[in-house]
Amino acid sequence: AQTVTQSQPEMSVQEAETVTLSCTYDTSESNYYLFWYKQPPSRQMILVIRQEAYKQQNATENRFSVNFQKAAKSFSLKISDSQLGDTAMYFCAFMKPYTGTASKLTFGTGTRLQVTL
Amino acid sequence: GAGVSQSPSNKVTEKGKDVELRCDPISGHTALYWYRQSLGQGLEFLIYFQGNSAPDKSGLPSDRFSAERTGGSVSTLTIQRTQQEDSAVYLCASASLMRHEAFFGQGTRLTVV
Repeated sequence: AQTVTQSQPEMSVQEAETVTLSCTYDTSESNYYLFWYKQPPSRQMILVIRQEAYKQQNATENRFSVNFQKAAKSFSLKISDSQLGDTAMYFCAFMKPYTGTASKLTFGTGTRLQVTL
Repeated sequence: GAGVSQSPSNKVTEKGKDVELRCDPISGHTALYWYRQSLGQGLEFLIYFQGNSAPDKSGLPSDRFSAERTGGSVSTLTIQRTQQEDSAVYLCASASLMRHEAFFGQGTRLTVV
């Protein structure tokens, strides 16, 4: 079974600064997908960024980028130029590729990020 | 629709009553997930549907919980004889397994009094 670990329950960053959220995972699969989701106080889960394991290039979406280290099974999220609207809970998630059997989406326990003035 | 839709948005029920929570996935998405999130906590997997395959029910916490997905589209999560510990936000997500990415609805906040 896959596990996803987020070791930072809470983090804080000042506006305009850069912050990195950590995520590690454990799997025996060679191909899989990794995600970061953002959950603001509105409780809506928003897909921030997606990484395919067989792609070596790190995914980037505007101010959000990942550092994917496949051998180390590490998938960190970097938020540049932090904004007050980035204040939210961030969840790391893992999905096996669909091969005709279940492809459950497994989540970490989350990191609460507070952006301050 | 454009996104995953859940109804109702909020539900208050008396202990012992049955409730039904509905999820309308994104059109064309073959996978559908239900998760439960207690206040300030992470996501607890409940059940997963993929096409016509038998669902993965391994996360359902008790036999009071059941879910079905009719016609490969709309899903209903039913909780029988609700208990106070069932109070939580219930989140539904649908996924395109061609793109391997899942999108969530806004959730149903269930309060059992």
